[in-house]
Amino acid sequence: QKEVEQDPGPLSVPEGAIVSLNCTYSNSAFQYFMWYRQYSRKGPELLMYTYSSGNKEDGRFTAQVDKSSKYISLFIRDSQPSDSATYLCASRDLFSGGYNKLIFGAGTRLAVHP
Amino acid sequence: NAGVTQTPKFQVLKTGQSMTLQCAQDMNHNSMYWYRQDPGMGLRLIYYSASEGTTDKGEVPNGYNVSRLNKREFSLRLESAAPSQTSVYFCASSEGPGRDFGSGTRLTVV
Repeated sequence: QKEVEQDPGPLSVPEGAIVSLNCTYSNSAFQYFMWYRQYSRKGPELLMYTYSSGNKEDGRFTAQVDKSSKYISLFIRDSQPSDSATYLCASRDLFSGGYNKLIFGAGTRLAVHP
Repeated sequence: NAGVTQTPKFQVLKTGQSMTLQCAQDMNHNSMYWYRQDPGMGLRLIYYSASEGTTDKGEVPNGYNVSRLNKREFSLRLESAAPSQTSVYFCASSEGPGRDFGSGTRLTVV
């Protein structure tokens, strides 16, 4: 079992829709939860990160962590064609054996069509 | 501010050839990483360097070597390329929990 699981999609939505992207994780020691956005033929870029449980909002994006169910979500409101990308979730614990070990999901491909 | 710069962007190798992928960061980060990204597999760590002068194996180190030349530069070497090493390679650096990634090198081994 992978430590971070993510549905690969693709997910196709009309412009203006609310998008929900999800990941599950298996390691109860994970404390940091991140979302990266990766445009085609580009490197991943950090979109949002949260520490421990709860919600974090940044403009049209909301990251949510439910540690009781080991579930990570990213919501995109009023989705735009420019949001079309692959979204990767990532998690890590506080102490990773001497280095900053970050576990990535495989990514969900999102297409927002006009 | 360039961030993380990788060269080359594209490369085609024949089986058995060697090459070095270059990476440099200008953010004064201590930690640097090399990942490969394959469809359905996500990002897998090849090697990392927690600080200048140290390197360690990641999840998939076989067939690769690395050199942390100084604080800015971290190179990845394929000594004898194999078709299984066809992938997109990303260099990254960090100071906090996240990662700053380069734009990648698309490598095809034929």
